[in-house]
Amino acid sequence: DTGVSQNPRHKITKRGQNVTFRCDPISEHNRLYWYRQTLGQGPEFLTYFQNEAQLEKSRLLSDRFSAERPKGSFSTLEIQRTEQGDSAMYLCASSLPRLPYEQYFGPGTRLTVT
Amino acid sequence: AQKVTQAQTEISVVEKEDVTLDCVYETRDTTYYLFWYKQPPSGELVFLIRRNSFDEQNEISGRYSWNFQKSTSSFNFTITASQVVDSAVYFCALSATPIQGAQKLVFGQGTRLTINP
Repeated sequence: DTGVSQNPRHKITKRGQNVTFRCDPISEHNRLYWYRQTLGQGPEFLTYFQNEAQLEKSRLLSDRFSAERPKGSFSTLEIQRTEQGDSAMYLCASSLPRLPYEQYFGPGTRLTVT
Repeated sequence: AQKVTQAQTEISVVEKEDVTLDCVYETRDTTYYLFWYKQPPSGELVFLIRRNSFDEQNEISGRYSWNFQKSTSSFNFTITASQVVDSAVYFCALSATPIQGAQKLVFGQGTRLTINP
């Protein structure tokens, strides 16, 4: 059984460009989470999907950020008009739909905005 | 609001020493979960343990042990006879029991543990 996978692992982009990250959860997990982790900090919750429905978004998720999970399987996180402050590690996690909803994390995508 | 505090930013010990990582949390929920995750240099968060708020029994797993004290809102993690492979950033996290919707994990700032040979 494979774990959560994320692509790309690293992304360097220039300010103002759009970027898209992909997350493939563990196959039977219907819950999917995105977190952002800046240097020296713990991860912070961004958004959550149950199947294809995006049920919750953090205030950290500005209108430049959009996430989708079109068929309830993989998810994408897009950042438009990137800013240097978007530089961070973007982590994806998935969990089963039952207590204790234990989250399994992927390796993350490290974004550097120059 | 929920909050997790890991007051120790960095700890450095010599191999084979015991080391304790502190975690203090704040929540108004009566039912909640506490977690410890390990983040090695590769970046992937590795789950170590989960505790629910009704289970104050301490747990030992090999060289790892956890001390949950509800009275002091603490969930400390001890590594006995540390090894170089234990070097990583360790995060304590808290979540409320979800009725619906997201089980958002609230993480502390992490403790960077360095085990020197």
